[in-house]
Amino acid sequence: QKEVEQDPGPLSVPEGAIVSLNCTYSNSAFQYFMWYRQYSRKGPELLMYTYSSGNKEDGRFTAQVDKSSKYISLFIRDSQPSDSATYLCAMITGRSGGSNYKLTFGKGTLLTVNP
Amino acid sequence: DSGVTQTPKHLITATGQRVTLRCSPRSGDLSVYWYQQSLDQGLQFLIQYYNGEERAKGNILERFSAQQFPDLHSELNLSSLELGDSALYFCASSVYASGNNEQFFGPGTRLTVL
Repeated sequence: QKEVEQDPGPLSVPEGAIVSLNCTYSNSAFQYFMWYRQYSRKGPELLMYTYSSGNKEDGRFTAQVDKSSKYISLFIRDSQPSDSATYLCAMITGRSGGSNYKLTFGKGTLLTVNP
Repeated sequence: DSGVTQTPKHLITATGQRVTLRCSPRSGDLSVYWYQQSLDQGLQFLIQYYNGEERAKGNILERFSAQQFPDLHSELNLSSLELGDSALYFCASSVYASGNNEQFFGPGTRLTVL
């Protein structure tokens, strides 16, 4: 079983839809959870960063972490064509410099929002 | 534009060769991270440097090495190249050493090994 699993999609939705993107993980040492957005031929950019279980909201984006189920989600409300991109989850075990540091990305979900 | 620059944008080389990829972090950032992105493996963390010192290692092969110079730019050296090394190589930078904060990614170098 891979440490981080993410459905690669592709996911295609109409403009204005609510989008749900998910990752599951098996390593209970992961403490920090991030969502990155990557447009075609560009580097990833950080969208959301969470440490604890629960929800974190930023504009149209909500990140949700459920550590008991080892499950994280990213919700996009009122999706726009400009949201069309690959979304990557990322997880970190602790601070770098320590022996247990691990930074792992999901393989990404390709999202297309159709006008 | 993240402020992180990478050169070259594209690199085509042959198996067995050695190449050097270069990264300049954002102004003020002391940490530099290197990543490899391929269709098979996705985005994989290779190595982190902080203020010239190696800070953390990920899935970096022994044929690969990196360093960070006093002016904080970094180079990733890939040697004895194999077809499977063809990938996008990203550099990212951040202010802190801890490796668990926001990183700013460069535009990447696309390496093709023929």
